[in-house]
Amino acid sequence: RKEVEQDPGPFNVPEGATVAFNCTYSNSASQSFFWYRQDCRKEPKLLMSVYSSGNEDGRFTAQLNRASQYISLLIRDSKLSDSATYLCVVLPSGYSTLTFGKGTMLLVSP
Amino acid sequence: NAGVMQNPRHLVRRRGQEARLRCSPMKGHSHVYWYRQLPEEGLKFMVYLQKENIIDESGMPKERFSAEFPKEGPSILRIQQVVRGDSAAYFCASSHRSPGQGSAPIYNEQFFGPGTRLTVL
Repeated sequence: RKEVEQDPGPFNVPEGATVAFNCTYSNSASQSFFWYRQDCRKEPKLLMSVYSSGNEDGRFTAQLNRASQYISLLIRDSKLSDSATYLCVVLPSGYSTLTFGKGTMLLVSP
Repeated sequence: NAGVMQNPRHLVRRRGQEARLRCSPMKGHSHVYWYRQLPEEGLKFMVYLQKENIIDESGMPKERFSAEFPKEGPSILRIQQVVRGDSAAYFCASSHRSPGQGSAPIYNEQFFGPGTRLTVL
């Protein structure tokens, strides 16, 4: 089982749609979780951290399910500018570095 | 406050040559990380350094690759005798604290540079 697994997509959605991505991780001792966004041929940028209680930032909602070892990202009212690859990122406990999923590509069309 | 700087942005080398990639962390950051992103692949951790120390090099290939972060100057990722399979985007990231410090994930945030795209002919 891969350390961090994501559906590569692409997810093609119209503007205004709601879209959800899931991610699973294999290390049950992982301590911190993040969603990063990466535009084509650019560097990854932190979108949001993921807390056990779930958290929301504007149109974005992140959830963590430790029992099932999965993380989700919900995007409401999709904008054209949301088109990007969304990276699920895990910081395993006792490790010093981030583990990235391969990413899920989102394409928002007019 | 300038972000993480990397240079060159694009680097072309012939097989057998050496490649040197530079990374200047954000001001006030003393932790530097190097990642490699092969075409159609996710980012893979290579090495984590603090000033003058390699903390974790578990992701570095055993041969030809080395990294340093001297007391003065940028961090350098050096690839000797490059091969075509080394062609990739190399991203550097920096953070204020080491991963795991602090009580909230925000302390672990790594800020990424724009990357160096290495092409080996």
